[in-house]
Order: sequence, then C-alpha cells, then structure tokens
Amino acid sequence: DAGVTQSPTHLIKTRGQHVTLRCSPISGHKSVSWYQQVLGQGPQFIFQYYEKEERGRGNFPDRFSARQFPNYSSELNVNALLLGDSALYLCASSLELGGDTQYFGPGTRLTVL
Amino acid sequence: AQSVSQHNHHVILSEAASLELGCNYSYGGTVNLFWYVQYPGQHLQLLLKYFSGDPLVKGIKGFEAEFIKSKFSFNLRKPSVQWSDTAEYFCAVNDYYGGSQGNLIFGKGTKLSVKP
Repeated sequence: DAGVTQSPTHLIKTRGQHVTLRCSPISGHKSVSWYQQVLGQGPQFIFQYYEKEERGRGNFPDRFSARQFPNYSSELNVNALLLGDSALYLCASSLELGGDTQYFGPGTRLTVL
Repeated sequence: AQSVSQHNHHVILSEAASLELGCNYSYGGTVNLFWYVQYPGQHLQLLLKYFSGDPLVKGIKGFEAEFIKSKFSFNLRKPSVQWSDTAEYFCAVNDYYGGSQGNLIFGKGTKLSVKP
C-alpha cells in the first residue's frame, strides 16, 4: 500500500502570495493532520481533520486554513505568506481520531522569499 | 501547555557504542508516547510507540524505550549503534485522554551522528 503522499515536493513563493499544499492519506485512514517543521525544531501541530470536519487547531494565525475532502485527502492553504512561513509542511494520517498512531508523508518544503 | 523535552541536541557516538536518548513530558495524565526517526533525506518514520501495558517497548531496528510514569520519561535505547542509525530522533506525546483531539506534541529532536 502507498504511504501518505504530499504535493508538491518543493515550492518557492514570494511574500504576500498564497499557497495550497495537498495530501493524500494512507488508504482507509480517515484522519489527516498538518504540522509545520522549521529548521532545528520538532514538528508543530497546525490542524487535524476527521470525516471532513476540523477537530483540532494549533496556535497558528487565521492565514492558515485547511479542508478535507470526501475521499479523505486534504489541502492546507496559507494566505499572505510571510518569510517566517518558510518550513517543511508535514501531513500525517491515522486510521481514526484520537490517540491513534500517525503516519507521516515526505513533506512539502516551502520557501518564502 | 504541554511540552516535551529532549535533553540532547546532538549526540556523537562510535559504532557499537550504546545509545540512550532522553525524553521527558509535562502532562501528568494518561498519554500515548512515540519515538519517530528522520533519516537524512527521508520522511519521519515511526520507531516505536507506547499505549499501555509493558512499559518496556521494542521497536524496529533493535531500538527499545522504557516508559517510567513516575519520572514522566520515555527514554530511547539501543545497545549497539550502527553507522546507519545516523538520523534525527523525535520524541512525541499524544494526550488524547487529557482532552486534546489527538495531535502530537514533539520535542525539538536529537541529532545522532554515528562515526564508522
């Protein structure tokens, strides 16, 4: 079975632009979470979705939004990009909500110039 | 707010040396505990996890971790490291039972360099 997939792999944007990152979970997994990993730090939680509903949100500004589709894939959107948004954005999927094990994708490396 | 502390930022060992990476978390209730590994150029992979039961858990590639509830610790160990263990190791906690929706809280990571 394929693991979690993310697209694109790399992205370069300029300040003020908007970006959309995509994630496909492991087949059968209903929950998708998004994390931001800046250099030298551990991943930080952004959102968790389950059955198309937002079930958790981390301490990120409203410029960050996400959604989950009926096929359980997900998009993360970031508006009005800032230099500080440069990071590796990770998607993780789990079978169910809650304390279940999360499996991570390869990430999207976003560079904001 | 909950936090996860990893004591060592960078550990350098020679092959065959023993490894212990420390991890402490702040939440006092029931938690699920994880160690993830990120090899150079690869994505985060699950090394091992603890949900309940035997506090000594075994993972892939000869790694094990011990959950000590009284010390809020979940240290990672390996008796004899190999050059291929060079990677960054992340400890993570999920306090779903404490009311969160199940998001992971990660430590800052420990970079392990193994000299051949």
